[in-house]
Amino acid sequence: ETGVTQTPRHLVMGMTNKKSLKCEQHLGHNAMYWYKQSAKKPLELMFVYNFKEQTENNSVPSRFSPECPNSSHLFLHLHTLQPEDSALYLCASSQDLPGGYNEQFFGPGTRLTVL
Amino acid sequence: ILNVEQSPQSLHVQEGDSTNFTCSFPSSNFYALHWYRWETAKSPEALFVMTLNGDEKKKGRISATLNTKEGYSYLYIKGSQPEDSATYLCAPYTGTASKLTFGTGTRLQVTL
Repeated sequence: ETGVTQTPRHLVMGMTNKKSLKCEQHLGHNAMYWYKQSAKKPLELMFVYNFKEQTENNSVPSRFSPECPNSSHLFLHLHTLQPEDSALYLCASSQDLPGGYNEQFFGPGTRLTVL
Repeated sequence: ILNVEQSPQSLHVQEGDSTNFTCSFPSSNFYALHWYRWETAKSPEALFVMTLNGDEKKKGRISATLNTKEGYSYLYIKGSQPEDSATYLCAPYTGTASKLTFGTGTRLQVTL
């Protein structure tokens, strides 16, 4: 257990559906992240939040919409996704934003399949 | 886009073997290098965060070295055990990218 939980663990959705991924961290961290891992590709940063404020949007399409209501919770709202968005979505948290010095704690991920 | 290379891509060793793999990254604007271990069906887990040139860190049978001037880090596993089977990821943090940039990882399989 890393102290970061994600729900659901698996999600299958159609291209017209709207769904949300949830992440919760119990570590008292201030920074939270969404990553995407597609097959045969490295982990790719999507969004960064620090003290509930978005500090990084890594050119992510608007069909992915993050929300961070407080430092412990992070959501990723999904709508009108494409099959190529099928991937493993990982949430992570760290004590503070990187200056790169703080290790990140990852959740188990949500395996998303878009039909 | 930051170029992070890890080699080999995969590795298959026998229990008791010692092994090592490499992470290469741009040396300019370097701040830190992270190593993570990612076991199948589990979460990536931080192994080391290294910042200084010549740094060497150790956790049990696993150790890592860092050369920031030439832009590489080595991860060593001494006396590999089946529980070491995982994908090992490195991620430099540079001022240029202002975020962790992960390599594709080295997948290690240790058999009896």
